[in-house]
Amino acid sequence: GEDVEQSLFLSVREGDSSVINCTYTDSSSTYLYWYKQEPGAGLQLLTYIFSNMDMKQDQRLTVLLNKKDKHLSLRIADTQTGDSAIYFCADLKGNNNDMRFGAGTRLTVKP
Amino acid sequence: DTGVSQNPRHKITKRGQNVTFRCDPISEHNRLYWYRQTLGQGPEFLTYFQNEAQLEKSRLLSDRFSAERPKGSFSTLEIQRTEQGDSAMYLCASSRQSSTHYGYTFGSGTRLTVV
Repeated sequence: GEDVEQSLFLSVREGDSSVINCTYTDSSSTYLYWYKQEPGAGLQLLTYIFSNMDMKQDQRLTVLLNKKDKHLSLRIADTQTGDSAIYFCADLKGNNNDMRFGAGTRLTVKP
Repeated sequence: DTGVSQNPRHKITKRGQNVTFRCDPISEHNRLYWYRQTLGQGPEFLTYFQNEAQLEKSRLLSDRFSAERPKGSFSTLEIQRTEQGDSAMYLCASSRQSSTHYGYTFGSGTRLTVV
């Protein structure tokens, strides 16, 4: 089964907040990431959080980590049309050798 | 530094042909990773190098796939006797060993279509 799971679609109105959720199964995941992929492009690293943190904020982005539930979320404040993309959650164990990705959440921002 | 560079961007090939892709990582990054991404899915790990040594290979990397990084700089991924199921985006990423936990830097990928 999937090691990292995400809901597939999210649609919001411009100016609203978006919350993209992710669950992971491996309690030894030490580092967690959010990547953005626009059509036809590679993956752009948005932010990361270490497992000893609960929250990280970076401008419009807020990452929340609930280690007990193995749940990660990405909140995008004041969502813009340029935020429309696929967002991938990923985890990495301490050996740093194998970053594993979810299937991605397609965010659509309507004007 | 221009980031991770992959060539070609697109490749269309006939079934049964061999193809080779190239990845140029960020110059000071000693780790290099290959991933495959099929439509509607997240990237799946194929293999990774630390310098010139190939340290890990996924079970997805069949005998028809081979990757090299001869001088510890650029890498090539070759697929022999391509099949339609090989159609995917092939992504390369790199990182510095000491700062891998800050995330990998990905290239724009090579999209392979096998007809």
